[in-house]
Amino acid sequence: GAGVSQSPSNKVTEKGKDVELRCDPISGHTALYWYRQSLGQGLEFLIYFQGNSAPDKSGLPSDRFSAERTGGSVSTLTIQRTQQEDSAVYLCASSPGPVFNEQFFGPGTRLTVL
Amino acid sequence: GNSVTQMEGPVTLSEEAFLTINCTYTATGYPSLFWYVQYPGEGLQLLLKATKADDKGSNKGFEATYRKETTSFHLEKGSVQVSDSAVYFCALSATSNDYKLSFGAGTTVTVRA
Repeated sequence: GAGVSQSPSNKVTEKGKDVELRCDPISGHTALYWYRQSLGQGLEFLIYFQGNSAPDKSGLPSDRFSAERTGGSVSTLTIQRTQQEDSAVYLCASSPGPVFNEQFFGPGTRLTVL
Repeated sequence: GNSVTQMEGPVTLSEEAFLTINCTYTATGYPSLFWYVQYPGEGLQLLLKATKADDKGSNKGFEATYRKETTSFHLEKGSVQVSDSAVYFCALSATSNDYKLSFGAGTTVTVRA
C-alpha cells in the first residue's frame, strides 16, 4: 500500500520568503508527526497531531513555524520569513495510534534557504 | 532530559565483517528503544525495537539487546552485506505513553565489496 508521501521533495527559497511543506500520511493513521533533520542538530521533534486533540507544538523552534492538519489527514508545515538556519530535511511520520506504535516516515522535503 | 548518544561514524567495513554500533541513552522511567535505518534516497524505516529490559530486538540479521544496567542498546550484525550501507539511528520514546522519538546523531555505515 501507499506509504507516507511528502511534497515537494526539494524546495529552494530565498531568505525571508514563506514556504509550505505538505505531508500525506498513511490512510487510517490517526497520529502524525513532523521532525527536522539538520547537520548541526540531528533529528528533532517538531509537532505531533493525534485525532482531534490539540497538537503538541512543544518542538517548534520559533513562532515562525506553524502546522495544521485538515480533516485528520493531510498536514501542512508552514515556515514564515525563512532564515538560513531553517535549511534542513523536514520529515513527516504517521502511526496507527497515539502511543507506542511504529512511526512510518516519509522521504522528507529538503529545504534550502539561500 | 531524554537523550541518545551513539557512536560517531562514518564506519567503513568489508563485506562479511562484523558490525557494532554503540548506543547509550539517558531517560527517566522505562523507555522503549529503537533502531531506525535510512538507506540512500529513502525514508527512515524501523529496523528493530525493544520495549523492556533484557528484550532483544532482531531483524534482517541485526540484533540489539536492551541493557538497563548499562543504559545501552548496541546494534550488531555478524556478517554485513553491501546492501547494509545506510545511516543508522538509535532512538527512544521515554515511556510507553510517550509518542515523541528522541534520536541519536546517526551513524553512516559503508560496506565495501
